Amino acid sequence: NAGVTQTPKFQVLKTGQSMTLQCAQDMNHNSMYWYRQDPGMGLRLIYYSASEGTTDKGEVPNGYNVSRLNKREFSLRLESAAPSQTSVYFCASSSRQGANTEAFFGQGTRLTVV
Amino acid sequence: AQTVTQSQPEMSVQEAETVTLSCTYDTSENNYYLFWYKQPPSRQMILVIRQEAYKQQNATENRFSVNFQKAAKSFSLKISDSQLGDTAMYFCALSGNTPLVFGKGTRLSVIA
Repeated sequence: NAGVTQTPKFQVLKTGQSMTLQCAQDMNHNSMYWYRQDPGMGLRLIYYSASEGTTDKGEVPNGYNVSRLNKREFSLRLESAAPSQTSVYFCASSSRQGANTEAFFGQGTRLTVV
Repeated sequence: AQTVTQSQPEMSVQEAETVTLSCTYDTSENNYYLFWYKQPPSRQMILVIRQEAYKQQNATENRFSVNFQKAAKSFSLKISDSQLGDTAMYFCALSGNTPLVFGKGTRLSVIA
């Protein structure tokens, strides 16, 4: 029962490098999300996909791009990593976008940009 | 815009005692849900309890209960008989027509 799977779990990048964080869910959920967690800031929404084929910006989208590859997969790309993007990244999914929707989270990716 | 405020960055409680974590929120929506998530050192986000805004009865899950004051836009979490395994970050979150919005979290330490 995998739920939401994120890869990698840890990553160190040099400033200016690019990388893609992968996320897949096996719960047949329609909606998927990317959050970042920084000390003292809680979780902040980067991008989300309410349904397959749609993506929308969240609170902190600058420096990121996303792709909803299919219903299962939602990737987050850093084109040119900056030290300010050092953070823990969480992917989440829910059955639909709306009030009564429990979000299920992956294990997170700890990204360090040096 | 929806906002969630947790005013207690850190708290501690003795094992077997009761502790209350505070949360206030703001939303213009009528249909919304409130959640408490727990994040232990493993980093996993675990749903603790949820409350439907249109229900007056406070939600309860075993040792966890909430005090939901809709008019005051307050949603506190009470943990009874605290256990060492309750040591974690706790996040209050609000869900409406937009994705979950989180507070900044409260770090709870349970002391033996």
